[in-house]
Amino acid sequence: RKEVEQDPGPFNVPEGATVAFNCTYSNSASQSFFWYRQDCRKEPKLLMSVYSSGNEDGRFTAQLNRASQYISLLIRDSKLSDSATYLCVVGSYGGSQGNLIFGKGTKLSVKP
Amino acid sequence: SQTIHQWPATLVQPVGSPLSLECTVEGTSNPNLYWYRQAAGRGLQLLFYSVGIGQISSEVPQNLSASRPQDRQFILSSKKLLLSDSGFYLCAWSGSSLGGNTIYFGEGSWLTVV
Repeated sequence: RKEVEQDPGPFNVPEGATVAFNCTYSNSASQSFFWYRQDCRKEPKLLMSVYSSGNEDGRFTAQLNRASQYISLLIRDSKLSDSATYLCVVGSYGGSQGNLIFGKGTKLSVKP
Repeated sequence: SQTIHQWPATLVQPVGSPLSLECTVEGTSNPNLYWYRQAAGRGLQLLFYSVGIGQISSEVPQNLSASRPQDRQFILSSKKLLLSDSGFYLCAWSGSSLGGNTIYFGEGSWLTVV
């Protein structure tokens, strides 16, 4: 099983749609969770951290399910500007990869 | 506030030539520093990370090397580039606690080896 796994997409949705991405992780000792957004040919930028109780930032809602080892990102009322690749990132204490493992990303394309 | 810059932004190098990418962080002290590579259509691959001056951990065997001559400076080098070294190189930093802190990326450097 891959350490952090995401559906690569692409997800093609119309403006105004609600879209959800899931990400699964294999290390049950993982301690921190994030969603990053990466625009084409640009660096990844932090979208939001994911907290155990779930958290919301405007149109974006992130949730964590430790029992099933997955995190999710929900985008409501999609905008054209939401088109990007969304990276799931999982961090843990110890380990060899500088403690952060990146998923390969899910591509979202919002159409007019 | 903290900022991170890396350069050059774009470069085209012939096979066998040397490489030097530089990254500096401002507004924080003793950061963890990272070099990642993102090949076309692939995920982020951690190349090196550093928890302090002169302390470099390599994640994958390759013809690249990294150095941290100062607290907030991280350099990625190669003596002889290969075609397979082409990709998008990203420098990043995080807080000094190794607990999966939030990581922040520089603008990236596009390397094409020809």
